[in-house]
Amino acid sequence: GNSVTQMEGPVTLSEEAFLTINCTYTATGYPSLFWYVQYPGEGLQLLLKATKADDKGSNKGFEATYRKETTSFHLEKGSVQVSDSAVYFCALILMDSNYQLIWGAGTKLIIKP
Amino acid sequence: DSGVTQTPKHLITATGQRVTLRCSPRSGDLSVYWYQQSLDQGLQFLIQYYNGEERAKGNILERFSAQQFPDLHSELNLSSLELGDSALYFCASSGGLAGSPYNEQFFGPGTRLTVL
Repeated sequence: GNSVTQMEGPVTLSEEAFLTINCTYTATGYPSLFWYVQYPGEGLQLLLKATKADDKGSNKGFEATYRKETTSFHLEKGSVQVSDSAVYFCALILMDSNYQLIWGAGTKLIIKP
Repeated sequence: DSGVTQTPKHLITATGQRVTLRCSPRSGDLSVYWYQQSLDQGLQFLIQYYNGEERAKGNILERFSAQQFPDLHSELNLSSLELGDSALYFCASSGGLAGSPYNEQFFGPGTRLTVL
């Protein structure tokens, strides 16, 4: 079936470190891919998205590239800040699944000053 | 602020009881989605409504039901509550055609339900 796998957290980094959160997917067809972020005590917000292979989504210094050959959508940021501490969710959407978002388990990111 | 509102923010109740969670979507959004987020199950899609009609069902228990009203607000009803129903319940909305892959879902702040 269709699924999303994220690296387990928590991921703990120092401020200004380079961030990678891995996300791989299994899907029948051609999904659109998303990263959502959940800050403490808040709902989820869309961080970035990519709708076709080789697209790069970017926002707030975060980037992710839709890699069809490796079925991946890894989230990266060159220099993280304490304010980036949150839970990050990778998700996909497929026409075949009636456009329902299929979620990864989430990765908690902790940035230490 | 996503523009999606949910009430109440917190709800504490006892096993066997029934509660109603309310969601108002962003102005103009026709689709409403309900999600359950718990520590052991992660984020689970429950149900989607589009312009008053049920569009898709996810992992929603038979004890749970939802509806979307003509003014597009939605309610999630949880009955015969069990300890395991304690979770954060999120509502999200999106606009335009139901299920368009280009439609971002906007999430509300959630209702934290505690069943004692």
